[in-house]
Amino acid sequence: DAKTTQPTSMDCAEGRAANLPCNHSTISGNEYVYWYRQIHSQGPQYIIHGLKNNETNEMASLIITEDRKSSTLILPHATLRDTAVYYCIVRPSFSSGSARQLTFGSGTQLTVLP
Amino acid sequence: KAGVTQTPRYLIKTRGQQVTLSCSPISGHRSVSWYQQTPGQGLQFLFEYFSETQRNKGNFPGRFSGRQFSNSRSEMNVSTLELGDSALYLCASSLEGAGGRNEQFFGPGTRLTVL
Repeated sequence: DAKTTQPTSMDCAEGRAANLPCNHSTISGNEYVYWYRQIHSQGPQYIIHGLKNNETNEMASLIITEDRKSSTLILPHATLRDTAVYYCIVRPSFSSGSARQLTFGSGTQLTVLP
Repeated sequence: KAGVTQTPRYLIKTRGQQVTLSCSPISGHRSVSWYQQTPGQGLQFLFEYFSETQRNKGNFPGRFSGRQFSNSRSEMNVSTLELGDSALYLCASSLEGAGGRNEQFFGPGTRLTVL
């Protein structure tokens, strides 16, 4: 899997948009960008994934640059419950063999402030 | 639809003992993966099962083993426990559906403490 680089920590005011960046400059053409988050001591939660088009679901939006070397996860109206570690992962969706596993980096600790 | 469930949620064992953890995937999901999470090493992949067969294995010693049953439920076993096995053990299931969608959905984890 391509390596990803994320800031160690970020703060965001409650009610504001949280924009979490991820660099994945060595991403391959068949690799998707996945985002998960983990609230303290709970299992990771799937948020969203995309290949090259921007994606939106009920939780977040994913903006992928045209060259696919970076992406931004956007939580439009952050709440205190969004405080968590956010992981950006790149991997093929049509996974096989060892590529099927998720390889988590250190992630970004997002703290939403009241 | 119910999520991934893991039992027990908390477990305390002593060195040298063995332990079995259980995971029930989301209904219809046939792939089950196991991960170990520790403060020092982060989230590390243990193994993955699909249709009762181990399909992929991480870099863990043979003391760590698992199996999957015909109903897709999975168990993992750790024998001869060591202090370093204290961790949060996470199970994740995925659909492996058409279009290659294989997002993994995680359970709440089992917190194992080895004394």
